[in-house]
Amino acid sequence: GAGVSQTPSNKVTEKGKYVELRCDPISGHTALYWYRQSLGQGPEFLIYFQGTGAADDSGLPNDRFFAVRPEGSVSTLKIQRTERGDSAVYLCASGGTILHEQYFGPGTRLTVT
Amino acid sequence: ELKVEQNPLFLSMQEGKNYTIYCNYSTTSDRLYWYRQDPGKSLESLFVLLSNGAVKQEGRLMASLDTKARLSTLHITAAVHDLSATYFCAVDSGNQFYFGTGTSLTVIP
Repeated sequence: GAGVSQTPSNKVTEKGKYVELRCDPISGHTALYWYRQSLGQGPEFLIYFQGTGAADDSGLPNDRFFAVRPEGSVSTLKIQRTERGDSAVYLCASGGTILHEQYFGPGTRLTVT
Repeated sequence: ELKVEQNPLFLSMQEGKNYTIYCNYSTTSDRLYWYRQDPGKSLESLFVLLSNGAVKQEGRLMASLDTKARLSTLHITAAVHDLSATYFCAVDSGNQFYFGTGTSLTVIP
């Protein structure tokens, strides 16, 4: 079956602009996670959704970052007033609730110039 | 904040040799995960360890978990070039997953 997909695969934007990153989870998965991975580092937790609600958004670095999942499936990570430090690969993962296992998407590489 | 430490960070080993990657974490958790990441690719789940003493094996890789010591190991047996990748361990605490910094493994022919 189809895995987790993310669009776009690459995004280059200018400092100060607004960007949206999209995640399509595996069908039927209720859990959805967003991570940020900088070069040479492990993924850093941003936010976790269970269904439509953000169960834990404590990893969002500041109020420029926001994520939604209005129908409990597709999620969008929104970044306002982008800064060069936001440049990273943004990973999405979805999963069931039994084993807490996550299936990762290919990521969106965001570059802020 | 929960910390997850891996060592070594970089590992270069010859084909056919054995080696172990270590993952230490700083808080109680009964669940430990190992992932593989190839350059420019996303993360692939290798093992999910759900209890103290859990041991899982897949091919040349074997993972174990000691929750009392807060330690997991990933043992590589008779390494082959195809195992070259970065390996991450992760621990979940409530809703959050905490990843180690990764071990970059290069297997040399």
